[in-house]
This record gives sequence, C-alpha cells and structure tokens, in this order.
Amino acid sequence: GDSVTQMEGPVTLSEEAFLTINCTYTATGYPSLFWYVQYPGEGLQLLLKATKADDKGSNKGFEATYRKETTSFHLEKGSVQVSDSAVYFCALPDRGSTLGRLYFGRGTQLTVWP
Amino acid sequence: SAVISQKPSRDICQRGTSLTIQCQVDSQVTMMFWYRQQPGQSLTLIATANQGSEATYESGFVIDKFPISRPNLTFSTLTVSNMSPEDSSIYLCSVTLRRGGIYNEQFFGPGTRLTVL
Repeated sequence: GDSVTQMEGPVTLSEEAFLTINCTYTATGYPSLFWYVQYPGEGLQLLLKATKADDKGSNKGFEATYRKETTSFHLEKGSVQVSDSAVYFCALPDRGSTLGRLYFGRGTQLTVWP
Repeated sequence: SAVISQKPSRDICQRGTSLTIQCQVDSQVTMMFWYRQQPGQSLTLIATANQGSEATYESGFVIDKFPISRPNLTFSTLTVSNMSPEDSSIYLCSVTLRRGGIYNEQFFGPGTRLTVL
C-alpha cells in the first residue's frame, strides 16, 4: 500500500543553518503530499502541500518539491530559526477505503539553537 | 479552516481505569478521526467516526478497548478503557475538509496527553 519514509532524527542545527528533511513515498500514481508540523505541546498543523507531480509547496520559508522521478518530497529551509524547533511529519492521503485519513512518516524532531 | 478543541488536555490515570476524551469542532463535518501518537513515534489511526454509523476501527484496535461516540456532526468522544501503561500516548482528534475538490485538508486538535501509572 501507499506509504512514506522519513529520515530519522533528531536534527540539531544552529540558527541560520540550512535544513533538509528527507521524505520519500511509495504509491501508485501521484497522490497529494503534505508536510505537517507539531510545535511543542500542540497538535499538528499543515505546513505545506503539493497536489501534483512537479509542484512546489512553500510556507513560512519552507519549501518542498514533488519529484516523481525520485519519488521524493524533501523539506528544505535556507535559514532556520529557533522558533522552527518542532516535529515535522511527511504524509500522504489514503486513496483507498478510508478516504480522508493520512499516512504519516515517523516524524523528525528539529531543534534549533541560538 | 476548522478549529478543534479537546478535553482534557492532559491527564494522569491509574492502571485499570478508563478515560473519556472529548473532541469539539466549530463546524459540521462528516468524518472525524482518532489518532494515537506514542512517545517518539508517528501517528497511528485508531478509528474513523462518521455521524450516524458505528466507528470503523483499524487493525489492532477494538471497540471494547476504544469505544467511540459520534452523537452529532460537531462532537465525538474516545474512551480508553481498562488502561495500562502501554496506553500512555497523545490522542489526537482530526477532521477533514474538502478544498476545491482537489484534496482534503486535515485539521488536528491540540491532543490529549495521557500518562498511565
């Protein structure tokens, strides 16, 4: 079935460093792809999305490009801030029997030090 | 968008007891989902709760352990029954809203952090 594989964490960076969190997917066709963020003590929030191949999603300085050739959707940010410290989840939707549910990667904990 | 609240936000419970978690949405939604997030792990879907029908449980989850109610289009409860320390997790409620027919955006509540002693 469809699934996502996310790089293991945790990731620790200094402020203004470059961030990459890898995500690859396994699916038939080209499903929508999402990145969710979970700040400490909060629920998940949609960070960005791409609904078709070659799309680039962006939000709050984060970007991810839907690359069908490599079945990847890596999250990047050129200059991280302390406030970016959170857990990041790659996800894709169930296109089968449970429409609306999401399959999540394992999550990557990001800590940014000043 | 959808604003979702959960009660309680956290609780510490004794082994063998039960806890009911409430989820309230500020708009009417058809599908509601309950996820579990064990410490350091990703989210696992427990069940899908549609108004007017019984909840649909994922493999590994049963109604006797996680009974769910869905009395109307804005509210649901999840009960964690006969708790053990292995049930210590964050429990998240979520809903899906259609966005222009292209995809369904999912919104999450803040979660209920449960610790079982």
